[in-house]
This record gives sequence, C-alpha cells and structure tokens, in this order.
Amino acid sequence: KNQVEQSPQSLIILEGKNCTLQCNYTVSPFSNLRWYKQDTGRGPVSLTIMTFSENTKSNGRYTATLDADTKQSSLHITASQLSDSASYICVVSDRGSTLGRLYFGRGTQLTVWP
Amino acid sequence: EADIYQTPRYLVIGTGKKITLECSQTMGHDKMYWYQQDPGMELHLIHYSYGVNSTEKGDLSSESTVSRIRTEHFPLTLESARPSHTSQYLCASSDGAGRSVDTQYFGPGTRLTVL
Repeated sequence: KNQVEQSPQSLIILEGKNCTLQCNYTVSPFSNLRWYKQDTGRGPVSLTIMTFSENTKSNGRYTATLDADTKQSSLHITASQLSDSASYICVVSDRGSTLGRLYFGRGTQLTVWP
Repeated sequence: EADIYQTPRYLVIGTGKKITLECSQTMGHDKMYWYQQDPGMELHLIHYSYGVNSTEKGDLSSESTVSRIRTEHFPLTLESARPSHTSQYLCASSDGAGRSVDTQYFGPGTRLTVL
C-alpha cells in the first residue's frame, strides 16, 4: 500500500533554532516528492519539489533532502521565525499515472515560540 | 501567491440544505482538483478535471458533484448536506502541460460545518 508517514506529528521550538522534519514513504513507482507549508486556515503552498535524481534542494531557509534508495526525505528549517509556525506536508507523486497521483502525509505541526 | 480563489471561506448550514462551494482560478490552468481535509489528517482527492466538460471522481468517495463548464471555474455541489460533510474543502489547479513535475496551487479553502 502506498503511504507517506511523517514525524514528528508536532514540534515546538524556540525562535532562531533549527529543526528537521522527517518523511518516509512507500510509494512506488516514484516520480517526485514535494514539501508544502500550510498555514492555519489556508491552502498548502509549495516549498520544494525533488525528482528521483535530486538529493537536495533549498528555498531560502528551507532545505529538503531526498534519499530515494531508503525512501526518506527531510526538511530542514534554519534560524526559525515565528512565521514558520504551520503544518508541513510531505507529498509523493507516483510515476506512470496520467494524473500524477499524489500521496499526502498528515503533516508535522510546527510551532515556533518567541 | 497563486491566483486561485474559493468562496465562501466559512459556511455553517443546517442538515438537508443544498450548497455550492465556488472555486475559480485566473491562471488558465487546465487541471483542477477538489480535496477534503479533516483536522490533523491528510488531504483526500474527491474530484478532478482535466479540462472543460471533463470531471472524474477521486480516491475518496464523496456525495458531492462537480462541473467544469468554463476553464476557470470548478464548483462543488452538495445536494443535501449532512453533519458527516463537515470538513475543510480545498480547491487546487495545475497547468500540467505533460510535464512529470506538475505543481498544484491551492486556494485558501472553505471550512464547512453542517449542524
């Protein structure tokens, strides 16, 4: 069964600290992996997209890594800010589907305290 | 910021009412989607469309229906709302264009509560 598991479920950190969120998946075949940020009461916004051949991708203070062999990804947030408080969702797309089927994780709820 | 809009943002209605959730995008995207999301849970695809007059059911069974008469508009209708329909409904669009990597842009969502 194709699944996307994220950990931790929730995380509280102090402003200025770094943190790393994890994503493990069993989706096969694999096309790409995306990290989305979803603010409370808003729709998800894409942070990074990585294909099979990409190991790392950065977007400002966000750096995503991908190990396609172990089917793991991480999202590292550097020098956290209060505005980073949100749910971070890992989404994996399979290959061979005209729709590009997306499998969503449940997200990690990050809270940044001042 | 994506140009995709949803109305209403919040809706509280009684059981048995007919409702339509509106979604429109100004990016000229062919593909549009409706997702259902409960608190702390993953998004579930309930409907999608590849273009005008094309609609398909998604992975999660839903009693809602959709239509795609215009490229920019993808409304979702519930003929008779029930408390089990209480959820957040997210609309998304993508340009597809045959690429393997196809970013979906999401609207702000409609929070529906059925009493």
